[in-house]
Amino acid sequence: GNSVTQMEGPVTLSEEAFLTINCTYTATGYPSLFWYVQYPGEGLQLLLKATKADDKGSNKGFEATYRKETTSFHLEKGSVQVSDSAVYFCARGSQGNLIFGKGTKLSVKP
Amino acid sequence: GAGVSQSPSNKVTEKGKDVELRCDPISGHTALYWYRQSLGQGLEFLIYFQGNSAPDKSGLPSDRFSAERTGGSVSTLTIQRTQQEDSAVYLCASSFTVGDNQPQHFGDGTRLSIL
Repeated sequence: GNSVTQMEGPVTLSEEAFLTINCTYTATGYPSLFWYVQYPGEGLQLLLKATKADDKGSNKGFEATYRKETTSFHLEKGSVQVSDSAVYFCARGSQGNLIFGKGTKLSVKP
Repeated sequence: GAGVSQSPSNKVTEKGKDVELRCDPISGHTALYWYRQSLGQGLEFLIYFQGNSAPDKSGLPSDRFSAERTGGSVSTLTIQRTQQEDSAVYLCASSFTVGDNQPQHFGDGTRLSIL
């Protein structure tokens, strides 16, 4: 079927640590892939996207590369900040909607 | 407006009552989406509109849920005879058009609590 699986949290890191949040998808074909972020008390915001294989989406120091061989779209950041504390959702495009992973809560400690 | 606007931001109601949630999309966006976010279920797609048409209503959880969009702009999600399991945050999003690669822009949601 069509689904998105992302690593379960919560993830707790110290400031300036390296971040990886894994995301894999199942689909027929090559859907567009997205990362959304939800800061405490706020709605979802688009963080980055990639629309075809080998594309790299990037924003605010975050990166994710569309890997068709491994059907993955892992989110990375080289040095996290306290302000990055939020819930991160991986999503794939589908006909008329987005299919989301269950979200990964990230807490960054000073 | 500049972003997707939802109202009310919070709604508390008694079991069995009807509720109506409103979404005002970004101006010029022809596609509009409703999702539900709850602790146990994550983000669940409900329905989308292209213009005033809803091609796929299969995501609505039961026949107590309905949605409409008129004038290609504002949409309302109506829940009749609310149940406690309807308690969740209802999110609305819009995009320029429907398409796999179209990023969706979300409102802040309506937090619905059924007593």
